[in-house]
Amino acid sequence: AQSVTQPDIHITVSEGASLELRCNYSYGATPYLFWYVQSPGQGLQLLLKYFSGDTLVQGIKGFEAEFKRSQSSFNLRKPSVHWSDAAEYFCAVSGGKLVFGAGTILRVKS
Amino acid sequence: KAGVTQTPRYLIKTRGQQVTLSCSPISGHRSVSWYQQTPGQGLQFLFEYFSETQRNKGNFPGRFSGRQFSNSRSEMNVSTLELGDSALYLCASSAGLAGGTNNEQFFGPGTRLTVL
Repeated sequence: AQSVTQPDIHITVSEGASLELRCNYSYGATPYLFWYVQSPGQGLQLLLKYFSGDTLVQGIKGFEAEFKRSQSSFNLRKPSVHWSDAAEYFCAVSGGKLVFGAGTILRVKS
Repeated sequence: KAGVTQTPRYLIKTRGQQVTLSCSPISGHRSVSWYQQTPGQGLQFLFEYFSETQRNKGNFPGRFSGRQFSNSRSEMNVSTLELGDSALYLCASSAGLAGGTNNEQFFGPGTRLTVL
C-alpha cells in the first residue's frame, strides 16, 4: 500500500531564508508525486507535480522539488521564503487515489 | 475557467441526522473525488466518481455514500451522523481518472461540517 511520511510537523524559518520540507514515500511502482499547500480555512492548491522525466520539478510561487528514487524522497525547496508562504504543506502520492502525508506547518519569522 | 465549487461552505448538524454535500467540478472534468480532513486523521480519501460510476473507495463505513450526475456534479451523503464526522470535506476534480498520467486533482474550498 502506498504511504507518505512528512517527518516535520512544524518548521519555522526567517523571512528570506531558504526552505526545505521533507517527504518520503512508499509505493511499489513509479510514483506520481505532488506537493499541495493549504492556507487556514482553504482548500488545497497544487504547487507542483512529478509524473516522469526530469527529476527536478519547478512549481508555482518559486517552489521546486527533487525526486530521488534511491531515497524514496520528494523534498520541496524554496531559495527565499516570503511571509505569505506561511501555511500547511502536504506531500501526496497517487496510485489511483491520493494518499497524503500528515502535513508540515510552516511558520515564517519576520 | 471557474474552479471547483462546494456548497454549503459551513454546516451544523446534530447526531443522528443526515447531511448532503455538493460539489461542482471544473468544466470539462469528469472525475470527482472526496476527502475528509480532520486534525487527528489528516486527509483521507473517501471515494472517486467518474462518468457517474464509483471507481475507487476508501475505508469508510457505509454511512458515507456518494453519487455523480450526468453533468459531473457530485454529492456525498452521510447518514446517522456521529460526533467524529465533524471535519472539513474536500472535493477534487480531474479531467480523467485521478490516478492517470497528468490527471492532477484540483480542490475546492471544502465544506466544514460540525456535528453537535
